[in-house]
Amino acid sequence: DGGITQSPKYLFRKEGQNVTLSCEQNLNHDAMYWYRQDPGQGLRLIYYSQIVNDFQKGDIAEGYSVSREKKESFPLTVTSAQKNPTAFYLCASSIDEGTQPQHFGDGTRLSIL
Amino acid sequence: KQEVTQIPAALSVPEGENLVLNCSFTDSAIYNLQWFRQDPGKGLTSLLLIQSSQREQTSGRLNASLDKSSGRSTLYIAASQPGDSATYLCAVSPYNQGGKLIFGQGTELSVKP
Repeated sequence: DGGITQSPKYLFRKEGQNVTLSCEQNLNHDAMYWYRQDPGQGLRLIYYSQIVNDFQKGDIAEGYSVSREKKESFPLTVTSAQKNPTAFYLCASSIDEGTQPQHFGDGTRLSIL
Repeated sequence: KQEVTQIPAALSVPEGENLVLNCSFTDSAIYNLQWFRQDPGKGLTSLLLIQSSQREQTSGRLNASLDKSSGRSTLYIAASQPGDSATYLCAVSPYNQGGKLIFGQGTELSVKP
């Protein structure tokens, strides 16, 4: 079955540590997205990529970095510069940008030790 | 700047009732509007997508309408069931912004048996 796989499901970060969240899709979608979800605030866009080797900042990119070396993979690194990283992180993809529904993974919950 | 608002934030109804969830947005320059369902600790499932040129979409007991000129959308759920209990989010895809979605805060629905 086609879909989006996020791992790990739960992740803990120590002070000063960078952590990387994995997102893999086998839907052959060109566009991929990372969102952050905080209680009562809905989802906010961190980064998005419309094609391999290209990505753009979303609304809250500070303290995060991404790469898109393969079509099916879009990992997100939460750096030590992100001072409030505790949140639920969701990865999504769509056939192309704009007109198609976005499909979501099951998320990674990141907490601070 | 596009803003999306959902009212009410939470709703509790007895099983069998018909109900309406509301979504409003401030800028009518959108590609489409999507309604999503989110179960606790899970990702989002796309329920309905309405293109900007459409007025409504239906899927089973769900009907979503779109009035771009007034910046409003409604999600109508007929004959509600306990399995409909979840958080419902609406999101708009603005023109010329690479497929990013702007989300509302969601409506948490509880259907009591």
